[in-house]
Amino acid sequence: DPKIIQKPKYLVAVTGSEKILICEQYLGHNAMYWYRQSAKKPLEFMFSYSYQKLMDNQTASSRFQPQSSKKNHLDLQITALKPDDSATYFCASSQDRDSDYTFGSGTRLLVI
Amino acid sequence: QQQVRQSPQSLTVWEGETAILNCSYEDSTFDYFPWYHQFPGESPALLIAIRPVSNKKEDGRFTIFFNKREKKFSLHIADSQPGDSATYFCAASAGTNTGKLTFGDGTVLTVKP
Repeated sequence: DPKIIQKPKYLVAVTGSEKILICEQYLGHNAMYWYRQSAKKPLEFMFSYSYQKLMDNQTASSRFQPQSSKKNHLDLQITALKPDDSATYFCASSQDRDSDYTFGSGTRLLVI
Repeated sequence: QQQVRQSPQSLTVWEGETAILNCSYEDSTFDYFPWYHQFPGESPALLIAIRPVSNKKEDGRFTIFFNKREKKFSLHIADSQPGDSATYFCAASAGTNTGKLTFGDGTVLTVKP
């Protein structure tokens, strides 16, 4: 069974629309993260959360908003989607902020 | 400013040879250095990691060599196998910070049989 569940696996969205990427981890980890992978930037850090608190935000745009309703959930809301947002979005988690990461399987987003 | 630099961009070795992948970093507060590999269509997976208390770490065919003075670290894959063909990413983080890992741009390794 996958330890980090990301939904959906694939997502096609229209420019200007809004989507939510889901991430749930069942590893009992206290820290969760979002990364983006595209041809331009192989693995780009977006956010880190620890005990449901935002620790770091490296996204330049407020269109990207993480949402943590439970300790093991960290969803990513993206508004006003642009074709440039097309990428694979990986959720990851670690026991604590200085521990090894486990990555989810990713959500492949295509904005047309 | 790219904080973690990785080279080469691509590397081809023959089966049985040792593949050497290199990384360098800028931030002297970095104290955790993992290597991940990623197969096409899959997510990155942790291979091996080192902290600067030691300058070498081995796990089977995989060895990290770490040089704190020069701010460099490398991954040696001994007895390379075709199944090792993947993209390899080095990364670094500072333990007292937010958990953020800064990744290099990756090395595409091809092992020819």
